[in-house]
Amino acid sequence: RKEVEQDPGPFNVPEGATVAFNCTYSNSASQSFFWYRQDCRKEPKLLMSVYSSGNEDGRFTAQLNRASQYISLLIRDSKLSDSATYLCVVNLPLGDDYKLSFGAGTTVTVRA
Amino acid sequence: GAVVSQHPSWVICKSGTSVKIECRSLDFQATTMFWYRQFPKQSLMLMATSNEGSKATYEQGVEKDKFLINHASLTLSTLTVTSAHPEDSSFYICSARVLGGWANYGYTFGSGTRLTVV
Repeated sequence: RKEVEQDPGPFNVPEGATVAFNCTYSNSASQSFFWYRQDCRKEPKLLMSVYSSGNEDGRFTAQLNRASQYISLLIRDSKLSDSATYLCVVNLPLGDDYKLSFGAGTTVTVRA
Repeated sequence: GAVVSQHPSWVICKSGTSVKIECRSLDFQATTMFWYRQFPKQSLMLMATSNEGSKATYEQGVEKDKFLINHASLTLSTLTVTSAHPEDSSFYICSARVLGGWANYGYTFGSGTRLTVV
């Protein structure tokens, strides 16, 4: 089983729409959670961390459900510039260290 | 903020040759560097973790003799793909963990290297 699984999409939405998607993770010992954004042929960039109580950053809202081991991201009032692949990332303990485990990404396309 | 400079951004090489990819931390000391590989429409897969001054730790299934990692200083880590073959064509990205941190601000990525082996 993959450590992090995401719906690959694509989610094709009009400008101004709301789009939401989830990811699930398999390791209950996962320590911290993030959403990264990756544009085509570019490196991932941190979008936001995900906290247990849920958190917002402008039009982006992230939720974490530790009991069910899933994380969600909601984008409100979507813009053309939100078109990207969104990577669910989990920080896993690895002995005395940690490592990031990435989902394969959810592709979002916002159309005019 | 912490910046990692990765070079080259793209490279085309012939089968059988070796390619070296460099990642430099520009304004901080990177004690730990992670090397990832990403095939089209797939997730970033961790290849190895390198700590300054010690041997890299490779993930299962990654050949350490083929993917040579050197992390000789706190600001430079290199990945050398030896005897490259077309199946090694991929997007290689490094990521540094900022000294003392493991939370979101502790990871910064290079801009990636697109390797094409012909």
